[in-house]
Amino acid sequence: EAEVAQSPRYKITEKSQAVAFWCDPISGHATLYWYRQILGQGPELLVQFQDESVVDDSQLPKDRFSAERLKGVDSTLKIQPAELGDSAMYLCASSSTLSGSTDTQYFGPGTRLTVL
Amino acid sequence: LAKTTQPISMDSYEGQEVNITCSHNNIATNDYITWYQQFPSQGPRFIIQGYKTKVTNEVASLFIPADRKSSTLSLPRVSLSDTAVYYCLAAGGYNKLIFGAGTRLAVHP
Repeated sequence: EAEVAQSPRYKITEKSQAVAFWCDPISGHATLYWYRQILGQGPELLVQFQDESVVDDSQLPKDRFSAERLKGVDSTLKIQPAELGDSAMYLCASSSTLSGSTDTQYFGPGTRLTVL
Repeated sequence: LAKTTQPISMDSYEGQEVNITCSHNNIATNDYITWYQQFPSQGPRFIIQGYKTKVTNEVASLFIPADRKSSTLSLPRVSLSDTAVYYCLAAGGYNKLIFGAGTRLAVHP
């Protein structure tokens, strides 16, 4: 069964450093999502791509976070500089269409970020 | 976007049927109800989705009454491996999914 790949699985960094996460969606999936999940809470959407275009980044802290999906396939989420409050699980998901909430989203295993 | 309310936690024992009820009083006409399951240190996994009446798959059943203001996820004969967080979401069209805190289900031997 095809899966969403993410790397690294774990990242420890010091505040003010830059970090980057990578996601490879299921082949053929046009829509890619980045979520942030704080311990004990549900995932929160940060950014949504349709192919290489951003569809929704209303919850992305643009002063320090950036995301790109240059060729409409894999994607990178960057944080610069990292802050203590950024410690969380960063999840990537993909779906085959832009039908939004009715389309099944397939999640990757996530990247656990710890900022010291 | 319809706000959903579900119990924070539930306990059950192996072999029992578990029903998790979700309230979505403000559900819109084009909203679907979707349930995801999440194990520790993993991403959520789609379980089931429905619009009205009853939907069943190999994992669970979803019951939605006619007024659609609530829904019930039914897990038959749970095992220890069903211990997880279960999220109920109600959204439709191009609206994004909004996850709440979910229901933490603990299955005991």
